[in-house]
Amino acid sequence: DAKTTQPPSMDCAEGRAANLPCNHSTISGNEYVYWYRQIHSQGPQYIIHGLKNNETNEMASLIITEDRKSSTLILPHATLRDTAVYYCIVRVGSGNTPLVFGKGTRLSVIA
Amino acid sequence: DGGITQSPKYLFRKEGQNVTLSCEQNLNHDAMYWYRQDPGQGLRLIYYSQIVNDFQKGDIAEGYSVSREKKESFPLTVTSAQKNPTAFYLCASSINGQGMGTEAFFGQGTRLTVV
Repeated sequence: DAKTTQPPSMDCAEGRAANLPCNHSTISGNEYVYWYRQIHSQGPQYIIHGLKNNETNEMASLIITEDRKSSTLILPHATLRDTAVYYCIVRVGSGNTPLVFGKGTRLSVIA
Repeated sequence: DGGITQSPKYLFRKEGQNVTLSCEQNLNHDAMYWYRQDPGQGLRLIYYSQIVNDFQKGDIAEGYSVSREKKESFPLTVTSAQKNPTAFYLCASSINGQGMGTEAFFGQGTRLTVV
């Protein structure tokens, strides 16, 4: 079973920041938080991951709370092309354990 | 280009026939994975392989088989024993993180329809 909880859906106005929350209250010390998104009928796309520090790349920012029990993915200026299902996943850093997907959050960016 | 390739994109088969889905990667990744996705649902793990000549069952392995004879290839066979084979199938690969988090990369999927 997925170890994360996400809201089933969210809306965001185009050009505004999209803040997608994720709860992972049972996360272990060696588990990373990963975010992927899936645009309709395509393979999931990697966005970002982190252990405990906040992370930023060209796509998004990841804010992890100090106790690591929750995190927020931030898309700073959402566009219509960001409409997708966003998955938050926790996964150990060592080895090659599979990603376990939940139902994710369906983000709709509205013009 | 480096990446992970699934073929074909669309596949139609008659009920009762076995069918093999291809997945190839040239990323030199150690591990490969197969997932199934049904409409409106998340991805479910079928099989995964962390090293050549070894693989493990995932959550929904019944009716499927795999092989990992080469590092770059991980074909999935959907057998006639799979009761509801019509679905979107996704392959992924990742490198051994050695304690560091590393991302997995996905192919673009094969949509299998059994009629």
